[in-house]
Amino acid sequence: RKEVEQDPGPFNVPEGATVAFNCTYSNSASQSFFWYRQDCRKEPKLLMSVYSSGNEDGRFTAQLNRASQYISLLIRDSKLSDSATYLCVVNMNSGNTPLVFGKGTRLSVIA
Amino acid sequence: EAGVTQFPSHSVIEKGQTVTLRCDPISGHDNLYWYRRVMGKEIKFLLHFVKESKQDESGMPNNRFLAERTGGTYSTLKVQPAELEDSGVYFCASSQLLGGRQGLVAFFGQGTRLTVV
Repeated sequence: RKEVEQDPGPFNVPEGATVAFNCTYSNSASQSFFWYRQDCRKEPKLLMSVYSSGNEDGRFTAQLNRASQYISLLIRDSKLSDSATYLCVVNMNSGNTPLVFGKGTRLSVIA
Repeated sequence: EAGVTQFPSHSVIEKGQTVTLRCDPISGHDNLYWYRRVMGKEIKFLLHFVKESKQDESGMPNNRFLAERTGGTYSTLKVQPAELEDSGVYFCASSQLLGGRQGLVAFFGQGTRLTVV
């Protein structure tokens, strides 16, 4: 079983739509959780950290369910510029240890 | 502030040749990581430096890969001799040593796209 699993997509949605991505992780000892965004042929960039209480940043909402080892990302009112690959990323400790990546979910927002 | 920079951005080499990738982390970031993305696969960890010391090199594929970080500043990753399966995008990332929340956020370079033919 992969350490971090995501639906690869692609998700093709019209502008203005709401889209949700899910991710599961296998190591119950994982401490830190993130969503990164990666544009084509670019580096991954941090979109948001994910906290146990859930957190929101504008149109983006992230949720963490530790019991189910499940992370989600909700994008409301999708924009064309949201088209990218969204990477679910987990850190096994809260310290300086390496990140573990999912394969990513591709989103295309269509006009 | 300059971000993480990597050089070269692209490299095409023949099987059996040697290639050296360079990463300049964000100034003041003691953590430096190398990752690799092979086509169709997820980004995978290669190794981790804390300053000039190798903290974790469990992700290095084999002894054809050698990473250094002399002086705790920039890092190099040498592949010698290169094989076809080494093709991929090599990312470098850096972060501050944990002392606050900032230690958890890793910033990535734009990557080096390596093609071995």
